[in-house]
Amino acid sequence: NAGVTQTPKFQVLKTGQSMTLQCAQDMNHNSMYWYRQDPGMGLRLIYYSASEGTTDKGEVPNGYNVSRLNKREFSLRLESAAPSQTSVYFCASREVAGIYNEQFFGPGTRLTVL
Amino acid sequence: AQSVSQHNHHVILSEAASLELGCNYSYGGTVNLFWYVQYPGQHLQLLLKYFSGDPLVKGIKGFEAEFIKSKFSFNLRKPSVQWSDTAEYFCAVTTSGTYKYIFGTGTRLKVLA
Repeated sequence: NAGVTQTPKFQVLKTGQSMTLQCAQDMNHNSMYWYRQDPGMGLRLIYYSASEGTTDKGEVPNGYNVSRLNKREFSLRLESAAPSQTSVYFCASREVAGIYNEQFFGPGTRLTVL
Repeated sequence: AQSVSQHNHHVILSEAASLELGCNYSYGGTVNLFWYVQYPGQHLQLLLKYFSGDPLVKGIKGFEAEFIKSKFSFNLRKPSVQWSDTAEYFCAVTTSGTYKYIFGTGTRLKVLA
């Protein structure tokens, strides 16, 4: 049981390049999330997917797109990377049911945009 | 809009000192509350959670938190910290049946050996 996995762990991009961050979970959770973490700002929600086939914007969606490929996988795409997108990106999943409400986080992707 | 405030951004303690980290939220309805910990270079892990019942919640590694509804607070405590507690601590709130979590900005704790 791997929990939430993310690839890659590290990435360096040049301004204007594109890339996709991959996330997968094996806990059969319905909801999945993408956050970015910046010093002094905590975690900010980029996009989330309440269930397979649905996605919604979070607090800071500009410059990103997402795809909920299936129940297990939720990818985050940067179409044209900018230095302001230098951050650590975390994927999370959660089962929104009763007391089983906590989010489980992946190990993160550290992205640098030059 | 819901929000979570963590007023202590950086805390430095010596080993064996007592810890209390503040967390206040703004929401008038029923809430679920969480404390997460992030050790250096690692991902967030759940420390403890509150859903209902006893407002004093015990978590892993000797941590506890008290939900005080009248003060909209969910402060984290530990009687005696260890060097290994050096980490960043995040408070989070969600409401039953909703999908979004709201995280606080985090408190960075450094424990001196």
